[in-house]
Amino acid sequence: GQSLEQPSEVTAVEGAIVQINCTYQTSGFYGLSWYQQHDGGAPTFLSYNGLDGLEETGRFSSFLSRSDSYGYLLLQELQMKDSASYFCAPTMTGGFKTIFGAGTRLFVKA
Amino acid sequence: NAGVTQTPKFRILKIGQSMTLQCTQDMNHNYMYWYRQDPGMGLKLIYYSVGAGITDKGEVPNGYNVSRSTTEDFPLRLELAAPSQTSVYFCASSTGEGMTFFGQGTRLTVV
Repeated sequence: GQSLEQPSEVTAVEGAIVQINCTYQTSGFYGLSWYQQHDGGAPTFLSYNGLDGLEETGRFSSFLSRSDSYGYLLLQELQMKDSASYFCAPTMTGGFKTIFGAGTRLFVKA
Repeated sequence: NAGVTQTPKFRILKIGQSMTLQCTQDMNHNYMYWYRQDPGMGLKLIYYSVGAGITDKGEVPNGYNVSRSTTEDFPLRLELAAPSQTSVYFCASSTGEGMTFFGQGTRLTVV
């Protein structure tokens, strides 16, 4: 079967660093993506890891360990506008399907 | 840059009615997807397509049908709408290498 686990909620203060962890179990794993979704909006792509290690894109970084079926998204210098839901999303080789978990709701406080 | 375009943005259906959600992309992506998202939940994959003429079921296909006659278009058909199909529907496309682009969504209510 397939499963995804990430924390349901995280709260942090402006300017801080927050890490959102994700563990997954899928068949035919290809890579791990992260998406941001503001209330009422569509998911938008943040980062992708096809290989083990760290990918950095501005204030956002993402990490993958295939052997541990584990990844995380690191958000630095948090801003109020970062308050949103964040989804880790494994892509599988069969049809390059991407599946989503329930997401992590991030609240950034002043 | 249009990206992925979905229509309509909002729709109210009566139980038993049918409708088609339209989706088109202008990025020449082979892979296209339909997801539904219930309030406070993640996205569930309904159907996907790896190219024109090829479609396959996702996690929650019951009550839906799709077609992919061209690379650009991937309509989703709801037959005999039920209240359980009240949701936000997202169409998406991808090159198949991790970056998926989403349309703005269709908010569907079945009453």
